[in-house]
Amino acid sequence: EVQLVESGGGLVQPGGSLRLSCAASGFTFSSYWMHWVRQAPGKGLVWVSRISSDGSATSYADSVKGRFTISRDNAKNTLYLQMNSLRAEDTAVYYCARYSCTGGPCYGYMEVWGKGTTVTVSS
Amino acid sequence: DIVMTQSPDSLAVSLGERATINCKSSQSVLHSSNNKNRLAWYQQKPGQPPKLLIYWASTRESGVPDRFSGSGSGTDFTLTISSLQAEDVADYYCQQYYITPITFGQGTRLEIK
Repeated sequence: EVQLVESGGGLVQPGGSLRLSCAASGFTFSSYWMHWVRQAPGKGLVWVSRISSDGSATSYADSVKGRFTISRDNAKNTLYLQMNSLRAEDTAVYYCARYSCTGGPCYGYMEVWGKGTTVTVSS
Repeated sequence: DIVMTQSPDSLAVSLGERATINCKSSQSVLHSSNNKNRLAWYQQKPGQPPKLLIYWASTRESGVPDRFSGSGSGTDFTLTISSLQAEDVADYYCQQYYITPITFGQGTRLEIK
């Protein structure tokens, strides 16, 4: 079964740091580009970042650029999001999601989603 | 950035009736490489992650009931539920994957009238 399981969320003070993980199983993780998407309480979906299958190419939303770093360990089938200088407005459920890479080029629609991990930034 | 605007923000439809959600992009998402629109639709039920319904603007994801259909091209797109079922109550989002930053519409809440 294809599965993504996020972890690492929690309560952190403003200015603090947190590292999220996303454990992948049931597919060849190293062949897929991956996203992070977040959703603030009662709000819509917001794309955060994406990374290529080998980790060489990354992109970020302007709201997190310079504070968040996406990375991956293909040997461990795990995606990461290092979040520094956290702000109250970073409070959200964070989802990892898989690109569509079946049969050739990868495209950025999100075929598979994890259940999410909750990050709360508050003093 | 490409701005995605959905209408309406909320919608109440009777069971068995048609539901229509619109999505407009601030620039065309029709890509010349394959002449396909890089537009997807997602359904999100309370307490659950989003679920992919439609990609390439009109291709239904495997397992999605055929009462869900997507249409449109360029900058104007529509998600149609032909005969609303109780289990279709959810939030719906469009998303462009033409360029980064990837962007979503603000969402449309669908309820039963």
